[in-house]
Amino acid sequence: GAGVSQSPSNKVTEKGKDVELRCDPISGHTALYWYRQSLGQGLEFLIYFQGNSAPDKSGLPSDRFSAERTGGSVSTLTIQRTQQEDSAVYLCASINSGGTNTGELFFGEGSRLTVL
Amino acid sequence: AQSVTQPDIHITVSEGASLELRCNYSYGATPYLFWYVQSPGQGLQLLLKYFSGDTLVQGIKGFEAEFKRSQSSFNLRKPSVHWSDAAEYFCAVGATGGFKTIFGAGTRLFVKA
Repeated sequence: GAGVSQSPSNKVTEKGKDVELRCDPISGHTALYWYRQSLGQGLEFLIYFQGNSAPDKSGLPSDRFSAERTGGSVSTLTIQRTQQEDSAVYLCASINSGGTNTGELFFGEGSRLTVL
Repeated sequence: AQSVTQPDIHITVSEGASLELRCNYSYGATPYLFWYVQSPGQGLQLLLKYFSGDTLVQGIKGFEAEFKRSQSSFNLRKPSVHWSDAAEYFCAVGATGGFKTIFGAGTRLFVKA
């Protein structure tokens, strides 16, 4: 697509439920990132994918968080047994890490998660 | 490990005044450095970047930044601020190829008339 697309844009869930957040990167972008932005906080790195593999998942806060990427394209971030502290905006970004890489991350609009 | 520090949580400047937002980084090699802006209700947009070469880089919307290796800094400047510049500004450092780009906590800019 023309830009990075994330869904849902807003999600309200009850504590303890599982949620899935989806990211559809720019077509042809080989690397994909997930960040978390909490109120008044910066962007916290969660995980990045190069193709379908995740060389660095060091930012995932706990084992309740997982992510996968299939076909070198769409990625899903799953949060199990959500807690109130998981409330944040989850941002996805993609980058063309190939020969024309400029280092610029292209961000989606984010998925705002509210855990009640 | 990479890290980015933006010492100012928020800054208020008068419209037409000059602006400097501070950024200090920690990285073991020559970094890729970026400034992004997040306007209210909008996604993050790249303002400018430094990879190599001239240490003074120009970006969009009249912004510039200067890379100072000796001070591990990459401060963002604008000679004359406009009300539309009110936003949150993020400094970021990336490894070669853009992998694992790390962001600072951000500086929120308020512009007063």
